[in-house]
Amino acid sequence: LAKTTQPISMDSYEGQEVNITCSHNNIATNDYITWYQQFPSQGPRFIIQGYKTKVTNEVASLFIPADRKSSTLSLPRVSLSDTAVYYCLVGAFSGNTPLVFGKGTRLSVIA
Amino acid sequence: EADIYQTPRYLVIGTGKKITLECSQTMGHDKMYWYQQDPGMELHLIHYSYGVNSTEKGDLSSESTVSRIRTEHFPLTLESARPSHTSQYLCASSGSNRVHEQFFGPGTRLTVL
Repeated sequence: LAKTTQPISMDSYEGQEVNITCSHNNIATNDYITWYQQFPSQGPRFIIQGYKTKVTNEVASLFIPADRKSSTLSLPRVSLSDTAVYYCLVGAFSGNTPLVFGKGTRLSVIA
Repeated sequence: EADIYQTPRYLVIGTGKKITLECSQTMGHDKMYWYQQDPGMELHLIHYSYGVNSTEKGDLSSESTVSRIRTEHFPLTLESARPSHTSQYLCASSGSNRVHEQFFGPGTRLTVL
């Protein structure tokens, strides 16, 4: 499994755009990049997944450069309710190898 | 409605007791997982299953055991609970072709006195 590195924590004010970058230098050809969000005392929730270029949904955007050695989760105009831990995971789209969550990035949104 | 359920939500129990944490999903997923997480700490995979009659240990060693006799059911058992087992236990499931998209249950917060 590709190892991922992301910042331990980030702070942001309400209304700002937040970008969380994840490094995955040894990503394999068939690996996808997935991001999860976890609120306190809850299980993680799938946010977005991508393979290359840009993916956007109602929650976030995911930017993946051509070399795929990093990815950036972009949260537009964050609110206090976006305070959570965000995990970047890398692994094959199918198969029997489970994903590893790691420590994640603790985002604190300040009023 | 398709969902994933865990019972009990909270459990306080004495040392030495045998406990079983229940996890059921109605999404028809063949892959199921058990994670352990202490407050504010990393999420650790302790067990997973590819399908009926298949179970594997995760990256964190655990004294618990699991079984997968039915697709929808993935219980976790501790034969003799100890204070070191105090933690939150999260169950999740995913489909065969979308292993990245795991659906998590509400968790069981276990306290062993």
